Amino acid sequence: AQSVSQHNHHVILSEAASLELGCNYSYGGTVNLFWYVQYPGQHLQLLLKYFSGDPLVKGIKGFEAEFIKSKFSFNLRKPSVQWSDTAEYFCAVTPPNAGKSTFGDGTTLTVKP
Amino acid sequence: ETGVTQSPTHLIKTRGQQVTLRCSSQSGHNTVSWYQQALGQGPQFIFQYYREEENGRGNFPPRFSGLQFPNYSSELNVNALELDDSALYLCASSLPGATDTQYFGPGTRLTVL
Repeated sequence: AQSVSQHNHHVILSEAASLELGCNYSYGGTVNLFWYVQYPGQHLQLLLKYFSGDPLVKGIKGFEAEFIKSKFSFNLRKPSVQWSDTAEYFCAVTPPNAGKSTFGDGTTLTVKP
Repeated sequence: ETGVTQSPTHLIKTRGQQVTLRCSSQSGHNTVSWYQQALGQGPQFIFQYYREEENGRGNFPPRFSGLQFPNYSSELNVNALELDDSALYLCASSLPGATDTQYFGPGTRLTVL
């Protein structure tokens, strides 16, 4: 069975600090990888996704993530966070062409102005 | 283009009752997936509907059932409600041939007393 582990439950940063959120997954085959964001009071939105090709993917709002196959990891990064990045972030994996995602338990990011 | 909509927004039921939650998929999306998100956890896959048929199911008992209609809207039904069914229920839709990329609705918050 698939599983996704997000190492940090709650991260607190000051504006302009760099961000890295960890995500490791367990699955015995090819997967597609996603990061979603949920801003306060809003629905889940797709930040970025990796299906194949360049393991460094860029998403919206300056976020990027790197797929490291040997480590089963897909960490999310942003060089300089803003107060508006305060949100909950979810990593998810999906078998190709399935749309049946397994999510991690999320990381709450609080950015202090 | 309207996004995924869900109704009702909030719902309070008592143990043993039955509930129906509704989802209207995004225009052109023929695949609908339902997820349960308990407090402090990531979404868990319940089941997926494609062309009005169940197309995969997660680790949920049979008292969780669903329907998809010809216009691709969907219902989630839960019978014999238990306290642990209290959660945010999310609906996600996706385009034909691109089921990996899901678009989420705002969710229905169900409280079971």
